[in-house]
Amino acid sequence: GNSVTQMEGPVTLSEEAFLTINCTYTATGYPSLFWYVQYPGEGLQLLLKATKADDKGSNKGFEATYRKETTSFHLEKGSVQVSDSAVYFCALTPSNDYKLSFGAGTTVTVRA
Amino acid sequence: GAGVSQSPSNKVTEKGKDVELRCDPISGHTALYWYRQSLGQGLEFLIYFQGNSAPDKSGLPSDRFSAERTGGSVSTLTIQRTQQEDSAVYLCASSLKSPGTYEQYFGPGTRLTVT
Repeated sequence: GNSVTQMEGPVTLSEEAFLTINCTYTATGYPSLFWYVQYPGEGLQLLLKATKADDKGSNKGFEATYRKETTSFHLEKGSVQVSDSAVYFCALTPSNDYKLSFGAGTTVTVRA
Repeated sequence: GAGVSQSPSNKVTEKGKDVELRCDPISGHTALYWYRQSLGQGLEFLIYFQGNSAPDKSGLPSDRFSAERTGGSVSTLTIQRTQQEDSAVYLCASSLKSPGTYEQYFGPGTRLTVT
């Protein structure tokens, strides 16, 4: 079946630190890959996506590259802010499918 | 335009009672999804609608759960004879079409607590 594994949190960082959240997946074919973010008290929002191998998704200073050879989609940001404190979810939809399969989520706290 | 809306935002119910959760998708979105977010299980897919049809109900955890969609718009998720393990945040999402790469837009969720 399809599954997503992401690094467990919580992660606590200081402002301007570098953030990496690892995500690996298991799926047949060529899934689409996503990072969703859930800010405190808010709903899930799409942060970025990539739909084919070697694509790089980017948004709000975050980046992730679709690596087929390592089945990974790691999220990175070079300099985090307090406002980046949230829960981050890695997710996939298989080719020609619609069901999002989510990782367990990683809680990130950024301290001033 | 308006995003996905869900009501109520919070619902507390006694074990054994029935509850209805409502979802208003983004206007024009033909695909609608229900997910559940719980501490023990993370985020799980429940059911998918294309128009008013539900071709995939595979994620519904038991026959106490049902859902319908009318007019290709509003959807209602009904849980009969609620149990404590039904306590979770129920999320609705919609997308322009399905399947594939169309972004799913999520509502704020309904937090259900069964006492």
